[in-house]
Amino acid sequence: QVQLVESGGGVVQPGGSLRLSCAASGFTFSSYGMHWVRQAPGKGLEWVAFIRYDGSNKYYADSVKGRFTISRDNSKNTLYLQMNSLRAEDTAVYYCAKDSSYCSSTSCYHYFDYWGQGTLVTVSS
Amino acid sequence: DIQMTQSPSSVSASVGDRVTITCRASQGISSWLAWYQQKPGKAPKLLIYAASSLQSGVPSRFSGSGSGTDFTLTISSLQPEDFATYYCQQANSFPPITFGQGTRLEIK
Repeated sequence: QVQLVESGGGVVQPGGSLRLSCAASGFTFSSYGMHWVRQAPGKGLEWVAFIRYDGSNKYYADSVKGRFTISRDNSKNTLYLQMNSLRAEDTAVYYCAKDSSYCSSTSCYHYFDYWGQGTLVTVSS
Repeated sequence: DIQMTQSPSSVSASVGDRVTITCRASQGISSWLAWYQQKPGKAPKLLIYAASSLQSGVPSRFSGSGSGTDFTLTISSLQPEDFATYYCQQANSFPPITFGQGTRLEIK
């Protein structure tokens, strides 16, 4: 069965850095795109970043562009999110999610069919 | 960016009731819409994709409909385990992927 297990969350001061990891199992990790989605305490869901199955393309929400970097190591079945210049508004539970997409010749349409349990990032002094 | 608006924000219902939640997109998204269920302290779970396709393993009391800008999620006969928060998500325009603000389904 598909399993996604996040780690690396914690408390960090504003301006600090943190790297999240997501260990994947139960599917061929190297064949699927992966996402990070976050949820601030008591709030809704916010898509953060996406990486293609081979790491060739990466996309970011405007709110994190230039500060966060998504990456993957297909030899280790692991997804990463490097978070720099953290702000209080980055405080959230961060979920990794497996991509389920349908692609035409011009576009891809992305859903999230499996999610990890999440890891909490708190940015506070 | 495409804005997704759900209504109502919260709803109270009883076991056995039929419940409908609505999601409206700020522009047409064809049928590229998904619904997720989230219980407190848990990750979201995919229920419906492509507006009306039931994800594997999801009970048939869940159904989705709509296209263009207006969509609905219907639970035909509420069960105790259905009390949760529901989110819609548009998949038509990327990036970014955007979600509705959520609808909290509570026990009456």
